[in-house]
Amino acid sequence: DIQMTQSPSSLAASVGDRVTISCRASQNIGSYLTWYQQKPGKAPKLLIYAASTLASGVPSRFSGSGSGTDFALTITSLQPEDFAVYYCQRSFDAPQTFGQGTKVEIK
Amino acid sequence: EVQLVESGGGLVQPGGSLRLSCAASGFTFSHYWMTWVRQAPGKGPEWVANIKHDGTDTYYVDSVRGRFTISRANAENSLFLEMSSLRVEDTAVYYCARDLIHGALQYWGQGTLVTVSS
Repeated sequence: DIQMTQSPSSLAASVGDRVTISCRASQNIGSYLTWYQQKPGKAPKLLIYAASTLASGVPSRFSGSGSGTDFALTITSLQPEDFAVYYCQRSFDAPQTFGQGTKVEIK
Repeated sequence: EVQLVESGGGLVQPGGSLRLSCAASGFTFSHYWMTWVRQAPGKGPEWVANIKHDGTDTYYVDSVRGRFTISRANAENSLFLEMSSLRVEDTAVYYCARDLIHGALQYWGQGTLVTVSS
């Protein structure tokens, strides 16, 4: 099965910072990469699909990039509501594996 | 408004069985792939299984294949997960989710907790 590895596992940042989270697939997955945000006690929320397409209602400070095996989620100008855990997911082919997550904390 | 409401979770002994349900509303259920995702306490999400819009294709993660069965009743706008031979490591919140496109999960339920313990 394809493995998804995120880095870093956690990071501390300040409001207004630019943050980049990486996700690497163990094999080429094309652009079948999805990003989610999860807050405590809540279900994950879809942010980005097809590697770089912003989901409906998601602020434009979120962006996704990459293809093949290397992907990134970037948050420009971090806002207080952005402190959460972020997961990448290989989509389309089963099993649609999630990465282990990146926790974005307040510095 | 799209709504997904899971039910059927609870405490079960190792080796036992449980059937989860997901009631869907606010969209044409028969048009969408549906997915079950679980999340163990303090862990990340784990994709469990999905099912084609018409129920003709199903896929599973290796750890549940042969023990879990995903199904749907389009006439009742319902998704199911039949779980048997449950193990302690199956303990998790189980979410049902609706596909947007190619496996990107746009809508999620609130989850139902399954606890496998003696």
